[in-house]
Amino acid sequence: AQSVTQLDSHVSVSEGTPVLLRCNYSSSYSPSLFWYVQHPNKGLQLLLKYTSAATLVKGINGFEAEFKKSETSFHLTKPSAHMSDAAEYFCVVSPFTGGGNKLTFGTGTQLKVEL
Amino acid sequence: NAGVTQTPKFRILKIGQSMTLQCTQDMNHNYMYWYRQDPGMGLKLIYYSVGAGITDKGEVPNGYNVSRSTTEDFPLRLELAAPSQTSVYFCASSTAGGGNQPQHFGDGTRLSIL
Repeated sequence: AQSVTQLDSHVSVSEGTPVLLRCNYSSSYSPSLFWYVQHPNKGLQLLLKYTSAATLVKGINGFEAEFKKSETSFHLTKPSAHMSDAAEYFCVVSPFTGGGNKLTFGTGTQLKVEL
Repeated sequence: NAGVTQTPKFRILKIGQSMTLQCTQDMNHNYMYWYRQDPGMGLKLIYYSVGAGITDKGEVPNGYNVSRSTTEDFPLRLELAAPSQTSVYFCASSTAGGGNQPQHFGDGTRLSIL
């Protein structure tokens, strides 16, 4: 069984300040972990993925995430927020093995970026 | 660079009507998926397919049917629309199974049932 918990449903930051979106996971297997971003009226776009290689993963648009097995966390960070980062972010877990590549989604974190 | 294409983008149905949500991908992906997204609930898997002619139920399959006659297309059928099926529906695709393969999403179909 696997699950993912996004600890904040809404996060608000000022433009130019750091972003931290928190995610904890639970998995019976060695998991793959993903962060996706969804802009209004759009589908989900992959930001980055962790697949048991380096624990610090760099993604698109300056985002990165660190896999911490001891804390079962996969928090998403960005040093400096931009207005275009305002969107909803989903943390996603998948078993590393096959089985149809079934993903388990968190409930999402809405990021607001203010001037 | 079409990727995953969903049609229609919006639809309003009356209770009891039926409709088919279309999904096609041009990336030659074997795996395809249908999700529904409800406010504050994340995405829930309805059905998925690991290749042409092979489909299986996801987490919330009741009230829906799918078919996969080609690699490219994976339509989702609602036979008797109910208000509980008001949602945003996303189709996705990925290469071969294995949890390290990201899924590619369409832009969604926003469905209201009144």
